[in-house]
Amino acid sequence: DAKTTQPTSMDCAEGRAANLPCNHSTISGNEYVYWYRQIHSQGPQYIIHGLKNNETNEMASLIITEDRKSSTLILPHATLRDTAVYYCIVRPGGSGTYKYIFGTGTRLKVLA
Amino acid sequence: GAVVSQHPSWVICKSGTSVKIECRSLDFQATTMFWYRQFPKQSLMLMATSNEGSKATYEQGVEKDKFLINHASLTLSTLTVTSAHPEDSSFYICSAPARGDTQYFGPGTRLTVL
Repeated sequence: DAKTTQPTSMDCAEGRAANLPCNHSTISGNEYVYWYRQIHSQGPQYIIHGLKNNETNEMASLIITEDRKSSTLILPHATLRDTAVYYCIVRPGGSGTYKYIFGTGTRLKVLA
Repeated sequence: GAVVSQHPSWVICKSGTSVKIECRSLDFQATTMFWYRQFPKQSLMLMATSNEGSKATYEQGVEKDKFLINHASLTLSTLTVTSAHPEDSSFYICSAPARGDTQYFGPGTRLTVL
């Protein structure tokens, strides 16, 4: 079973920030939080990941709470092309290859 | 970088035939790849872990004799759906880890069995 829970769907106005929450209350100390998105009929696209510090890249920002039990993905200026299903995944840290278990994700609709 | 391709992007076949789907890592090597299946409006479900030079590891409930996986090289894994039936119609996606074990996904293959 997935170790994360996310709201089923969210709407966001174009140009506004989209804040997507994820609950991972059973996360272990060495587990990372990864975010992907899947645009209709495509493979998931990597967005960002983090362990405990907040992270930012050209696509998004990731805010992880101090207790690491939840996180928020922020798309600072959402566009229509950001309409997708967003998945939050927890995976072990350390070297090695770990399989991903996907939850239901959040279906984000950006409105014009 | 870290590009994963799949071929074909879509395929239609008759019931009872076998279909092979290829997954390639284009700019990196992958000793491990993963295969997922996704039904409409559902999330990705992990089917199996493909291991270069050894047998694949299947998730519980996935028939290994029906979904044959071969990882012949460090850049290629294949999934063969044997004796396909309409219920096997789905979106098949592969992934491979690169850059510190972040997984990168292929574009997917849509299989329709008539």
